[in-house]
Amino acid sequence: DAKTTQPPSMDCAEGRAANLPCNHSTISGNEYVYWYRQIHSQGPQYIIHGLKNNETNEMASLIITEDRKSSTLILPHATLRDTAVYYCIVSLYNQGGKLIFGQGTELSVKP
Amino acid sequence: SQTIHQWPATLVQPVGSPLSLECTVEGTSNPNLYWYRQAAGRGLQLLFYSVGIGQISSEVPQNLSASRPQDRQFILSSKKLLLSDSGFYLCAWSGSWGNQPQHFGDGTRLSIL
Repeated sequence: DAKTTQPPSMDCAEGRAANLPCNHSTISGNEYVYWYRQIHSQGPQYIIHGLKNNETNEMASLIITEDRKSSTLILPHATLRDTAVYYCIVSLYNQGGKLIFGQGTELSVKP
Repeated sequence: SQTIHQWPATLVQPVGSPLSLECTVEGTSNPNLYWYRQAAGRGLQLLFYSVGIGQISSEVPQNLSASRPQDRQFILSSKKLLLSDSGFYLCAWSGSWGNQPQHFGDGTRLSIL
């Protein structure tokens, strides 16, 4: 499985967009990029995933570079409830869907 | 809609005692099921996953075992707990087709004394 690199922490002002970067330079052609977040003492929450194209849902947008070596998760209007650890994961779905979690980015949304 | 249940939410056990954590999924059939452990301040580590009844894959050697006696039931067990088994245990499920994301339960916080 490809490894991901994320900054350990980031700050964002409430109401502003939060842009969380992720590097996955060794990603293979059939690996998907998944984003999860974990609020303290809770189970991780699925946010979004993609293969090549940019994706958007009610929670966030996922921008994947053309060479697929990096991606950015965008929370368009961050709120205090978005404070959490955000994990970027690459995974082959046909390996039983195994996810390998790194240390993630601790996002602090400040008023 | 699909839901996942884990219990208990917290558990305090003495060293050497047995363990049984249960996870059940509702609203779907033939899910993939997963057990993860998260040590304090660290990322999640996949322990076991299952693609069907009686089919268990172990990711790391350890003091724990898993079983899937029914389609939507996943059990994590130990015969004798060690201090190092302390942690936050999470169960997850995903659809068994295509690139389905995993959905996690609320976890069990296990403390070994």
